[in-house]
Amino acid sequence: DSGVTQTPKHLITATGQRVTLRCSPRSGDLSVYWYQQSLDQGLQFLIQYYNGEERAKGNILERFSAQQFPDLHSELNLSSLELGDSALYFCASSVGGVSPLYEQYFGPGTRLTVT
Amino acid sequence: AQTVTQSQPEMSVQEAETVTLSCTYDTSESDYYLFWYKQPPSRQMILVIRQEAYKQQNATENRFSVNFQKAAKSFSLKISDSQLGDAAMYFCASGGGADGLTFGKGTHLIIQP
Repeated sequence: DSGVTQTPKHLITATGQRVTLRCSPRSGDLSVYWYQQSLDQGLQFLIQYYNGEERAKGNILERFSAQQFPDLHSELNLSSLELGDSALYFCASSVGGVSPLYEQYFGPGTRLTVT
Repeated sequence: AQTVTQSQPEMSVQEAETVTLSCTYDTSESDYYLFWYKQPPSRQMILVIRQEAYKQQNATENRFSVNFQKAAKSFSLKISDSQLGDAAMYFCASGGGADGLTFGKGTHLIIQP
C-alpha cells in the first residue's frame, strides 16, 4: 500500500458524459501527479500540482482539467468523454516539487470505461 | 522533451535464472533520473530501482541492478535469481525538469517455473 488513495476504483459511463476522479496523496506529500495508461498511448503524464498550484502540464486534453484543494487532495475532471478516453488513470504523490529527485508513489488507479 | 524506448515487448526466463531488460532513452535535460517500475496484474505501479544520471555507480537493490551507460543513453535492468513473484510488466522511465515521468511501452516478463 503506497498511502495514495484513489476513488472510485471503477467507473463506467457513456460518451459525452463528465466524470470526476479523486486522489488523496500520502500524508505530508505536497505534489500530486496524474497519469493516463491506455492500450494505445501507454503511460502518459497529464498534469502536476504542487501545494495547490499547477506546476507542470503534459499531454492533457483541453476536455480534461484538474485542481488541487487546500487539504491537498486532487480531482481530475474529464468531460465530453469519448471511447478513446477509456483507460486506467493513476494519481501519484511526492514530497517535493518539480525535480524527480522526489520519489513518486502511485495510487491503485481508477479504471474508466466509456461506452 | 524525453523519449524512452523498450525494444522487448516480452521476455521469458526460467525461475532462478538471470534476465536483462533493455531500455534506451533520449533527453535534453542535463540533470535527470532514470527509473524501473514494476506493474503486476494488480496494476499497482511499484518502484523497483532508480538511478541518478550524475552518479557513475550503477544502482542495486537486492536482486535488481542496472547497467547505466550514459554516453550510449542505455539503462538496462538485471534481475538475478528470478522468482515467480517477479512476473509483471516492467516500465523504464525518465524524469527531469518539469515534465513528470516519461515511460516506455513496457516489457512483459514471464517467469517459467
